Amino acid sequence: DTGVSQDPRHKITKRGQNVTFRCDPISEHNRLYWYRQTLGQGPEFLTYFQNEAQLEKSRLLSDRFSAERPKGSFSTLEIQRTEQGDSAMYLCASSKTGTARTEQFFGPGTRLTVL
Amino acid sequence: GENVEQHPSTLSVQEGDSAVIKCTYSDSASNYFPWYKQELGKRPQLIIDIRSNVGEKKDQRIAVTLNKTAKHFSLHITETQPEDSAVYFCAARGGNYGQNFVFGPGTRLSVLP
Repeated sequence: DTGVSQDPRHKITKRGQNVTFRCDPISEHNRLYWYRQTLGQGPEFLTYFQNEAQLEKSRLLSDRFSAERPKGSFSTLEIQRTEQGDSAMYLCASSKTGTARTEQFFGPGTRLTVL
Repeated sequence: GENVEQHPSTLSVQEGDSAVIKCTYSDSASNYFPWYKQELGKRPQLIIDIRSNVGEKKDQRIAVTLNKTAKHFSLHITETQPEDSAVYFCAARGGNYGQNFVFGPGTRLSVLP
């Protein structure tokens, strides 16, 4: 499968615990995005990488959230001291520069439930 | 920053009828407007997109129109089929670097047989 993959697909954790999600973009894509989606809402932008550089962060991304893309390939999103309000689907997307299409391809998401 | 509104939130049509979903955006600098379809439990998938230098684009039963002056764009689905039932999201490309998408809240389309 050459699409965007995310791991794990589901995560249940207790409030106060730390969690880390991984995203593997399409191999030739140099841009990687993280979004959060709650039930009945559209995806909300969290942060964006071009290669290994984190170029933009939403104000939704509190100090408890950190994202990395150390080698410009896969990315991780860590949430520290999880809160019940963090329960959501976390979507990763990737795209490629230098093409006429600017389509972002989405992964299947990681559904986080904080108890 | 960019803000995208979308209407209606739910839409039911009879199979074979047309469906129209409308979105408005706030940032006149936005220049790319994709539409995504998300079936239950699945990832969003692009169905059609339009750039700000084009007023209309069509792909088989799906079309999108853009009015830059009024800052609104619409998705048109003709000859609807049950498999068109899903949540549809419009988006506008925004952000400081103009790369992230700002999504509307979604429209749940139900095509009744």
